[in-house]
Amino acid sequence: EIVMTQSPPTLSVSPGERVTLSCRASQSVSSNLAWYQQKPGQAPRLLIYGASTRATGIPARFSGSGSGTEFTLTISSLQSEDFAAYYCQQYNNWPPGTFGQGTKVEIK
Amino acid sequence: EVQLLESGGGLVQPGGSLRLSCAASGFTFSRHALSWVRQAPGQGLEWVSAITDSGTGTYYADSVKGRFTISRDNSKNTLFLQMNSLRAEDTAVYFCARDSPILTIWGQGTLVTVSS
Repeated sequence: EIVMTQSPPTLSVSPGERVTLSCRASQSVSSNLAWYQQKPGQAPRLLIYGASTRATGIPARFSGSGSGTEFTLTISSLQSEDFAAYYCQQYNNWPPGTFGQGTKVEIK
Repeated sequence: EVQLLESGGGLVQPGGSLRLSCAASGFTFSRHALSWVRQAPGQGLEWVSAITDSGTGTYYADSVKGRFTISRDNSKNTLFLQMNSLRAEDTAVYFCARDSPILTIWGQGTLVTVSS
């Protein structure tokens, strides 16, 4: 089973700042990687799939990059509604579609 | 509007059973694979199971294989998860999601608590 590792576990950021979240796979997953956002008490929401394709309705400030084992989610200018947990998920070796443990973006 | 609404969660004793449902609306149900994902309290996401659009293909995480059964009724736009031999470690919010393996739309979840 592929293990997904996200870093850092928590990120303290001020509104307006640029944010970079990392996700590493224990073996290559090609570009078969998705990112999800989850706000407290809410369901997750798909942000990015195919490592870099934004899902429908996702603002352009969210971008994804990487392939193989190293991936990045970037938020160009953090808005108040972006404070949330972010999870990566590989689906190259499916099932299972393994998730990272998440990165929580909190207000500094 | 695309919507998924889970129900059927609750408190159950270890070794017991529970059947979750997920009612879908706003899209052509029979054209989409569906998935279940769970989240233990304060923890991350864990993929549980998926089913193809026709229902002929089913897939399970090792942690639930042999205990959980996924099914669907395309005439009623409803997804199910039959959970047997429940354990304390199955305690979680269970989300249904449209599509697989990319989870495009999620329901709000239903809480399952396994405790004596």
